[in-house]
Amino acid sequence: QKEVEQNSGPLSVPEGAIASLNCTYSDRGSQSFFWYRQYSGKSPELIMSIYSNGDKEDGRFTAQLNKASQYVSLLIRDSQPSDSATYLCAVNGRLTGGGNKLTFGTGTQLKVEL
Amino acid sequence: KAGVTQTPRYLIKTRGQQVTLSCSPISGHRSVSWYQQTPGQGLQFLFEYFSETQRNKGNFPGRFSGRQFSNSRSEMNVSTLELGDSALYLCASSPEPGTYNEQFFGPGTRLTVL
Repeated sequence: QKEVEQNSGPLSVPEGAIASLNCTYSDRGSQSFFWYRQYSGKSPELIMSIYSNGDKEDGRFTAQLNKASQYVSLLIRDSQPSDSATYLCAVNGRLTGGGNKLTFGTGTQLKVEL
Repeated sequence: KAGVTQTPRYLIKTRGQQVTLSCSPISGHRSVSWYQQTPGQGLQFLFEYFSETQRNKGNFPGRFSGRQFSNSRSEMNVSTLELGDSALYLCASSPEPGTYNEQFFGPGTRLTVL
């Protein structure tokens, strides 16, 4: 089982629709969760972080966390063509010898169609 | 404030050679993390440096090493290059270790091993 799993997509949604991106993780001790957006040929940029169960909203983005189900999601409302990118879920996990690291999923490619 | 810079942006090497990549963090950021990104494996954590000391290390062979200087600039070295080392190498800086909500990525170094 991968530490962080995402559907690779592509996920295609029409402009103006809600895009729903999902992520599951295996380390029950994980405490912080992040969503990054990566445009083709560019580096990842942080768009949302969430630490507690429930929803966190920031503009058109809503992150949802359910620690009992080990599930994190990202909703993008009123999707725009400029939202077309790969979305990476990242989880703050523990290293075997101690310490922490960010573990990334392989990303979901989102395509917003006109 | 200037962002994270990485040099060189592109590198072509042959098997068996070694390579050194450089990363300059955002001013005031003292933690530097390195990641390898490939289409198959996604973004994988290599190591993290803080105060000139390696704090955390991912699951990579000893051919991958790094260091950090007193001005927080960091270098990573890969010796005895293999074809599978072809990847985008990203560094990310943050104020302190574990402050992932304030972590920013550089543009990356694209390494091609022939």
